[in-house]
Amino acid sequence: GQNIDQPTEMTATEGAIVQINCTYQTSGFNGLFWYQQHAGEAPTFLSYNVLDGLEEKGRFSSFLSRSKGYSYLLLKELQMKDSASYLCGRRGSTLGRLYFGRGTQLTVWP
Amino acid sequence: GAVVSQHPSRVICKSGTSVKIECRSLDFQATTMFWYRQFPKQSLMLMATSNEGSKATYEQGVEKDKFLINHASLTLSTLTVTSAHPEDSSFYICSARGEDRSYEQYFGPGTRLTVT
Repeated sequence: GQNIDQPTEMTATEGAIVQINCTYQTSGFNGLFWYQQHAGEAPTFLSYNVLDGLEEKGRFSSFLSRSKGYSYLLLKELQMKDSASYLCGRRGSTLGRLYFGRGTQLTVWP
Repeated sequence: GAVVSQHPSRVICKSGTSVKIECRSLDFQATTMFWYRQFPKQSLMLMATSNEGSKATYEQGVEKDKFLINHASLTLSTLTVTSAHPEDSSFYICSARGEDRSYEQYFGPGTRLTVT
């Protein structure tokens, strides 16, 4: 398998900051993705990392360490609408296939 | 962003029948499409990779004779669930990647299949 591991559930309050961690198998690695998925809907793209470091995009940032097989998604100034499942996806080197972890269900409380 | 559609959004069928799900890229040409299934509160499981004009590549454990994939054009891929059984009930989602989009995959809205 792809050995993609992320926490199952997290909770936080409005306005707070939350970090969702993801570890993955490093062999054949070709990019790390984060998607947001609301219940019953399609996943929407949040970020892509292929090089080490932090990518910032508004309230969301994503970090990658290729040598450690580790990424995190940082969400700032949390809003109620951020309650969703966050999927960590690892792209392999063959055919561009994207494999996902089980997703982290984030609940934001008022 | 690019738009990917799926049809139907929901389908209910009887055991033993076949169901076809369509995935279309509406505003770009998709050289590669991917099919996933998702069980409740579970993540997306990649089923197969579909390239236009060639045979699909199936993931380990996915029966290619049961889940027939056809990628006949650069904007259309179809997944046919043959001889459906209740355990095939799931949320099926496709994604597409275009020639000029080297990294991002755009997901369709999904199809909820219920087999009775």
